[in-house]
Amino acid sequence: GAGVSQSPRYKVAKRGQDVALRCDPISGHVSLFWYQQALGQGPEFLTYFQNEAQLDKSGLPSDRFFAERPEGSVSTLKIQRTQQEDSAVYLCASSYGGRKGYTFGSGTRLTVV
Amino acid sequence: SQELEQSPQSLIVQEGKNLTINCTSSKTLYGLYWYKQKYGEGLIFLMMLQKGGEEKSHEKITAKLDEKKQQSSLHITASQPSHAGIYLCGADIGAQKLVFGQGTRLTINP
Repeated sequence: GAGVSQSPRYKVAKRGQDVALRCDPISGHVSLFWYQQALGQGPEFLTYFQNEAQLDKSGLPSDRFFAERPEGSVSTLKIQRTQQEDSAVYLCASSYGGRKGYTFGSGTRLTVV
Repeated sequence: SQELEQSPQSLIVQEGKNLTINCTSSKTLYGLYWYKQKYGEGLIFLMMLQKGGEEKSHEKITAKLDEKKQQSSLHITASQPSHAGIYLCGADIGAQKLVFGQGTRLTINP
């Protein structure tokens, strides 16, 4: 596709509910990143894939967060047993790799009530 | 990120005035990216700087990276309402990911 596509655009979840956020990167982009952006803050790194391999998951805040990219293209960020502090915008970015620039999606705004 | 300090956090300027946003790293930068974000939306790429002393311009926006590659500035000339938004600097510090500053919220008053 022409850009990075994220869905859903908005998600309201009840506390304790599981959610899955999808990222469809630009075709051919090897690297894929997930970021979490709290209100009024800059994006914080969550995890990074190179093709299907998850090379860095140091930013995942707890074991309730899980990300996958099984075929090296579409990625899913799953949050189990959502808590109010999980409310944020979740951004996905992709790149060809090798410091060649990063393209961000429009994000998914998650609100946990 | 504490590795990247962005200032000011908030800026209100009158339409037509010039303004500068700064981004300072505690580490040498392999690359510095400037993005603009409308509230609740994704990041729109503005410019990328990689070489010490590099300067790039697009329309009324100019970004510079200092010789030591630890500080960058974004300068807007003759600001317009369309420049309003949140400006973010993102730094490649060699860890295969970008670390971001806290952002600068820019308001343009008519």
